[in-house]
Amino acid sequence: DGGITQSPKYLFRKEGQNVTLSCEQNLNHDAMYWYRQDPGQGLRLIYYSQIVNDFQKGDIAEGYSVSREKKESFPLTVTSAQKNPTAFYLCASSIDQGATGYTFGSGTRLTVV
Amino acid sequence: RKEVEQDPGPFNVPEGATVAFNCTYSNSASQSFFWYRQDCRKEPKLLMSVYSSGNEDGRFTAQLNRASQYISLLIRDSKLSDSATYLCVVNIYNYGQNFVFGPGTRLSVLP
Repeated sequence: DGGITQSPKYLFRKEGQNVTLSCEQNLNHDAMYWYRQDPGQGLRLIYYSQIVNDFQKGDIAEGYSVSREKKESFPLTVTSAQKNPTAFYLCASSIDQGATGYTFGSGTRLTVV
Repeated sequence: RKEVEQDPGPFNVPEGATVAFNCTYSNSASQSFFWYRQDCRKEPKLLMSVYSSGNEDGRFTAQLNRASQYISLLIRDSKLSDSATYLCVVNIYNYGQNFVFGPGTRLSVLP
């Protein structure tokens, strides 16, 4: 079955450490997105990519980096510059700029220890 | 003014009740509209798209009023399993960050 796979499901980061969250899709979707969700809050866009080798900053890109070397993959790196990284991270993809909706991965819960 | 606003909630209703959620959006260029459901600590899942003529899927009815920039979701005969947060989502074409999410309205259906 086609879908989006995020890994790991849970991730613990030490202060000053960079970590990378994986997002892989086999839906043949062109566009991919990374969102952050804090407890009791809505989704905020970190980065998005509409095509391979191209990506754009969203509303809260500071302290994060991405790459899009393959259509299927859109990894997110949470750098040490992100001062408050504890959150639920969601990856999504769409085939038509979202005209028929986004498909989400099951998320990665990142905690700073 | 936020781009997408929803009823603040939470809504606590008994089983079998009818409950309605409201959503307003500020960008008149918005092109497509959705309701997503998000269970606690899970990813959002598409509940239904919202069309100008209104649409129904079982116990769920969605309405769109473009003139008032208003979207609604009606749930009839609420079930315990309907307990979740309901997200109103607006898609704006030609913007890189196409989807704009509302903050969500939490529903608890009580036995």
